Amino acid sequence: DAGVIQSPRHEVTEMGQEVTLRCKPISGHNSLFWYRQTMMRGLELLIYFNNNVPIDDSGMPEDRFSAKMPNASFSTLKIQPSEPRDSAVYFCASRSRSVFTDTQYFGPGTRLTVL
Amino acid sequence: SQELEQSPQSLIVQEGKNLTINCTSSKTLYGLYWYKQKYGEGLIFLMMLQKGGEEKSHEKITAKLDEKKQQSSLHITASQPSHAGIYLCGADLQGAQKLVFGQGTRLTINP
Repeated sequence: DAGVIQSPRHEVTEMGQEVTLRCKPISGHNSLFWYRQTMMRGLELLIYFNNNVPIDDSGMPEDRFSAKMPNASFSTLKIQPSEPRDSAVYFCASRSRSVFTDTQYFGPGTRLTVL
Repeated sequence: SQELEQSPQSLIVQEGKNLTINCTSSKTLYGLYWYKQKYGEGLIFLMMLQKGGEEKSHEKITAKLDEKKQQSSLHITASQPSHAGIYLCGADLQGAQKLVFGQGTRLTINP
């Protein structure tokens, strides 16, 4: 399995522009999570989905952030308009849950820089 | 997150030495996860603990969850340069799927 796939790996944009981050979870996983990591705040959960349905978006910082999961193999995190304080590494993770295990597997992340 | 405190924040050890990283919560841990992260990369899953008193090992890394399920430790025996990185503990504090993470422990191994 290729693991969780994220694109792009790096994104540099100017303040005010729209940014879209993409994630392909591991096949067969039915939960997907978006996290943001910064030096100041560490790793924070933004939103998560179960079976493509958003369950908890209480971590989404503002209305400028939105996330969708149109099907089991694809999710997007959109920031519009972007601001310099949005600069961070954004991780997507998918979850495998069974009688024997309950683990989140992380993608390589997208490093976002907003100038 | 202040809900999980990791100590120490950074650690420098000589290759071959043993070391321990701690993760403490003020709340009961329904599940405790250890991950390793290298700069510019994602988090690599190491181990998950659920039961009080549980202990798991993988190669030279051992993780324990105390009986009260409020503290976990990660122990590395005979450290190697490949162990260098940032170790993060993540915890399910609500019995749901939401994980909160500690601030991480940056481990450096000197040859």
